[in-house]
Amino acid sequence: EAQVTQNPRYLITVTGKKLTVTCSQNMNHEYMSWYRQDPGLGLRQIYYSMNVEVTDKGDVPEGYKVSRKEKRNFPLILESPSPNQTSLYFCASSLSLQGLNTEAFFGQGTRLTVV
Amino acid sequence: AQSVTQLDSHVSVSEGTPVLLRCNYSSSYSPSLFWYVQHPNKGLQLLLKYTSAATLVKGINGFEAEFKKSETSFHLTKPSAHMSDAAEYFCVVRTSSGGSYIPTFGRGTSLIVHP
Repeated sequence: EAQVTQNPRYLITVTGKKLTVTCSQNMNHEYMSWYRQDPGLGLRQIYYSMNVEVTDKGDVPEGYKVSRKEKRNFPLILESPSPNQTSLYFCASSLSLQGLNTEAFFGQGTRLTVV
Repeated sequence: AQSVTQLDSHVSVSEGTPVLLRCNYSSSYSPSLFWYVQHPNKGLQLLLKYTSAATLVKGINGFEAEFKKSETSFHLTKPSAHMSDAAEYFCVVRTSSGGSYIPTFGRGTSLIVHP
């Protein structure tokens, strides 16, 4: 089954403790991205990657890191989480960024709480 | 530059009555437009997409949307609401920017369906 898998689904952590949210897709997609969803703000893009070893900042990259060492994986790293990073996070992938009609496939989401 | 505005943060309808979720966009180039649905505790799922073919687009679950260039709109409609349609809906626009097509999300419209 074609899917985007995020782990964990729920995470509560303390300020300053490094964490990683994993994302994996099994569709051989080139393009992957991370979003955060906050009430009233919709989805805002954190980082995206157009292919292996190619990453770029989205609209709200501060406090986050990503890496793309393999095509299927795109982990999101919070080196020193803060309470304002409490949010619902989504990973998405699509076949490529080229092509207007390419739809995105989303993971189930990770609800992160930083206390 | 591109942007998308969902005109209502909440829409409330009775079961069996029509649904209208409004979306306006701005774009320097011919856009692709998408509607996604997010059910509680789920990821986003594609409902339908417009990619410069027919201006009236039919999607899953009886939803459709009409692209109106003169009004820069892409409103989502359904003739008769069902309880299972209660969810968050996102309008998304993609246009070319330097050869790639970064999507921009609206802030979302929460559809409430009353029995």
